[in-house]
Amino acid sequence: AQSVAQPEDQVNVAEGNPLTVKCTYSVSGNPYLFWYVQYPNRGLQFLLKYITGDNLVKGSYGFEAEFNKSQTSFHLKKPSALVSDSALYFCAVRDMEDQTGANNLFFGTGTRLTVIP
Amino acid sequence: EAQVTQNPRYLITVTGKKLTVTCSQNMNHEYMSWYRQDPGLGLRQIYYSMNVEVTDKGDVPEGYKVSRKEKRNFPLILESPSPNQTSLYFCASSNTDHTDTQYFGPGTRLTVL
Repeated sequence: AQSVAQPEDQVNVAEGNPLTVKCTYSVSGNPYLFWYVQYPNRGLQFLLKYITGDNLVKGSYGFEAEFNKSQTSFHLKKPSALVSDSALYFCAVRDMEDQTGANNLFFGTGTRLTVIP
Repeated sequence: EAQVTQNPRYLITVTGKKLTVTCSQNMNHEYMSWYRQDPGLGLRQIYYSMNVEVTDKGDVPEGYKVSRKEKRNFPLILESPSPNQTSLYFCASSNTDHTDTQYFGPGTRLTVL
C-alpha cells in the first residue's frame, strides 16, 4: 500500500526566512514523488517531482525538495520565503512498481503555509 | 493553452437531484482522474480512466459514476447526491507513463443540501 504523511497541518514562517514543509512516504517499491501547491480558489499546480537521479530537485518559484531514501522523506524547501508563497501544499507519491493503476497518485493531507510579513 | 477545464465551478443542489460535473482536457492525455478534497483528508481518488471506455474505481467511488466515451472528456455523475458528497472536486489528466505529471482542473465546489 502507498501512503504519504504530512505531519504539520500548519507552518508559519517570517518573510525572508527559510521554509521547510515536511513529507514522508511509504511504498512497496521505489517512489515517484511530487509536490503541488494550491492557492485560494485555484486548482493544484505542479511544483516539482523526483523520478530518479540527483536527490535534490529544483522546481518552480524557487522551491526545491530533497529525496532521502533512508528516511523515506521528501521535504519541500525554499531559502527565502515570500508572502506570496502562502498556500496549501500537497505531497504525493506513486509506487514505481505499482501495475494496478497507470498514474494513480496518493496524496498527503496537506500543509498550510503562512508567510508572515 | 494546455489546460483541464471543469464545469460548473460552483454548484448548490438538493439531495437526490442528479447532476453531472464535466471535465475536459486539450492535451490528448490518455489518463484522467477525479478526486475529492475534504479538510483534513487531503485528496482522495474517486475514479480514474486509463483510456477511452476504460474506467476503474479509486479509493472512494461509492455514490459516483463516470464515463469515458471520448478521450478529452471524463464527466463525473452523481445519480442521487447526498449531503456527505458536499466537497471540492478536482479532475486531473496525464499521459500514462509513470513519470508523467498530473495536471489539475480549477475545481468544482459542490454543496448538497
